[in-house]
Amino acid sequence: TQLLEQSPQFLSIQEGENLTVYCNSSSVFSSLQWYRQEPGEGPVLLVTVVTGGEVKKLKRLTFQFGDARKDSSLHITAAQPGDTGLYLCAGRLSSGGTSYGKLTFGQGTILTVHP
Amino acid sequence: EAQVTQNPRYLITVTGKKLTVTCSQNMNHEYMSWYRQDPGLGLRQIYYSMNVEATDKGDVPEGYKVSRKEKRNFPLILESPSPNQTSLYFCASSLFVNTEAFFGQGTRLTVV
Repeated sequence: TQLLEQSPQFLSIQEGENLTVYCNSSSVFSSLQWYRQEPGEGPVLLVTVVTGGEVKKLKRLTFQFGDARKDSSLHITAAQPGDTGLYLCAGRLSSGGTSYGKLTFGQGTILTVHP
Repeated sequence: EAQVTQNPRYLITVTGKKLTVTCSQNMNHEYMSWYRQDPGLGLRQIYYSMNVEATDKGDVPEGYKVSRKEKRNFPLILESPSPNQTSLYFCASSLFVNTEAFFGQGTRLTVV
């Protein structure tokens, strides 16, 4: 079982629509990151959230960290074809201990925005 | 230019033939790590290193070895590759363990 469950795994929408991607866990994370990956490239960081309830905006992208720091969401307003890609959430466990250095990724959401 | 460089980008090898994938960063980052990416599973961490001579297992370390003799390099070693290690591998580095990770461009490995 995945420590971080992302949903949906696939999303195909028309330009101009809004969408939300979810990242859920039963564990508490000290921080959570969202990455975007394009074919043939490595992931690129979009945002890091560290405080429960935190909301960060990056142009048309809004990221939220759950109050209990167990979940996060990525909302895109008025999606554009340039938003197409693989979106990944990644987190570090709060009670890391010997696992402090580990970074756990969700399975990813493949987003396709049609013109 | 600040970057993480992996080599080779593509590799086809046979079962049991030892191989090394190199990773180098020029940003003086302390933290480096290796991941494999498989369809439907996202990225899974293989090994990570908090600093020179400090390495630790990630979630899927079996069949892999790493070393961190100097800050800039973090090679991934497959002593006896098997077909289930066919995957896309990424190296990443960050200034510290909880800061932004910069990824290399990936190494696509096929073991036949």
